[in-house]
Amino acid sequence: GESVGLHLPTLSVQEGDNSIINCAYSNSASDYFIWYKQESGKGPQFIIDIRSNMDKRQGQRVTVLLNKTVKHLSLQIAATQPGDSAVYFCAENAGGTSYGKLTFGQGTILTVHP
Amino acid sequence: GAVVSQHPSRVICKSGTSVKIECRSLDFQATTMFWYRQFPKKSLMLMATSNEGSKATYEQGVEKDKFLINHASLTLSTLTVTSAHPEDSSFYICSASQGTRGYTFGSGTRLTVV
Repeated sequence: GESVGLHLPTLSVQEGDNSIINCAYSNSASDYFIWYKQESGKGPQFIIDIRSNMDKRQGQRVTVLLNKTVKHLSLQIAATQPGDSAVYFCAENAGGTSYGKLTFGQGTILTVHP
Repeated sequence: GAVVSQHPSRVICKSGTSVKIECRSLDFQATTMFWYRQFPKKSLMLMATSNEGSKATYEQGVEKDKFLINHASLTLSTLTVTSAHPEDSSFYICSASQGTRGYTFGSGTRLTVV
């Protein structure tokens, strides 16, 4: 459930560094995972997804790693840029229904310093 | 790509009045639409899932009589916040799904009840 009163985790990096954002999920039945980027006042923007039959997937400058054993998901952003500054959420679909409801993680605030 | 249009982007209303938020899929037919609520610096919380032509399924703790959801066509879902109060002030986001095409999010609606 929601952690009332807790602030979102934050990650500050310098431009050009690599960023790693982590997410723990709770539902072992989840079979589809998505990373989203959300800028202030906007809706979530799709970054990359991965299914439970994979443990790694790469996109442009981003890589998602999935460890089902410990129910952990990570997003790696290479050569982070100021435009990457945003809140990042992982989301899981517990399966049963293709593209059924998503459960979002708490989010991480990424700040990239020029 | 798939586009979801959400209107209005911002709305201010007086306490006790009702507000309707629209979510339209512009270039695809959305078999399922989801409505989320997001408080400042918090994650997205699913409020309800709606399928075209049937009653919405509300998450536990969400008052269905207060948050009326209508999904009358495959391209339009509406969320009406009835008898709004200041505690209903929040960021509301819709998402549309079409089978294997994944999820597309609207840009969100900032509701302020005064």
